[in-house]
Amino acid sequence: KQEVTQIPAALSVPEGENLVLNCSFTDSAIYNLQWFRQDPGKGLTSLLLIQSSQREQTSGRLNASLDKSSGRSTLYIAASQPGDSATYLCAVSNTGGFKTIFGAGTRLFVKA
Amino acid sequence: EPEVTQTPSHQVTQMGQEVILRCVPISNHLYFYWYRQILGQKVEFLVSFYNNEISEKSEIFDDQFSVERPDGSNFTLKIRSTKLEDSAMYFCASTRDRGTEAFFGQGTRLTVV
Repeated sequence: KQEVTQIPAALSVPEGENLVLNCSFTDSAIYNLQWFRQDPGKGLTSLLLIQSSQREQTSGRLNASLDKSSGRSTLYIAASQPGDSATYLCAVSNTGGFKTIFGAGTRLFVKA
Repeated sequence: EPEVTQTPSHQVTQMGQEVILRCVPISNHLYFYWYRQILGQKVEFLVSFYNNEISEKSEIFDDQFSVERPDGSNFTLKIRSTKLEDSAMYFCASTRDRGTEAFFGQGTRLTVV
């Protein structure tokens, strides 16, 4: 049964710092991995999607990597800003691509 | 920008009542999903739907739950007889194709009293 773990559970950093969020999953037979952002009481916003055949994806200040064989992904946020404060969720889809399992998230607070 | 819309944003219902949560996925998307998030817990997969049938469902999605695409735009989740533990935020999502970027709605907060 696929399990997704995210470390750390919470993180507080000063503005401008570069940071890394970690995600691990127990079953390497995935279809893809997606990073989301969730603001309090709101829906999920897709940040980056990495297909199982890819190693990384970049969008602006965000870079996500995937090491499928070791069951790990990292989300790198460069030059963090207070507006980055949110919960970041990692999610993996099974081999069929129809079922997605989420981690519990990393709650990020960026201090001005 | 196209978005997934969900109605209502908040629904309060009595235990044992039926509820229908509604979603309008992005118009050219073909795959539809329901998730739920109990307060303070992980987002949990409920069901995926493609070509007018369920593609996959979780153990949470028992006989009390059903999904339907009654017309070309709406995608609904019905809970037949609500329980207190069904109280959660329910999210609808859609993807253009299998395994592509998922777009989520803002959610319906269901409170069962």
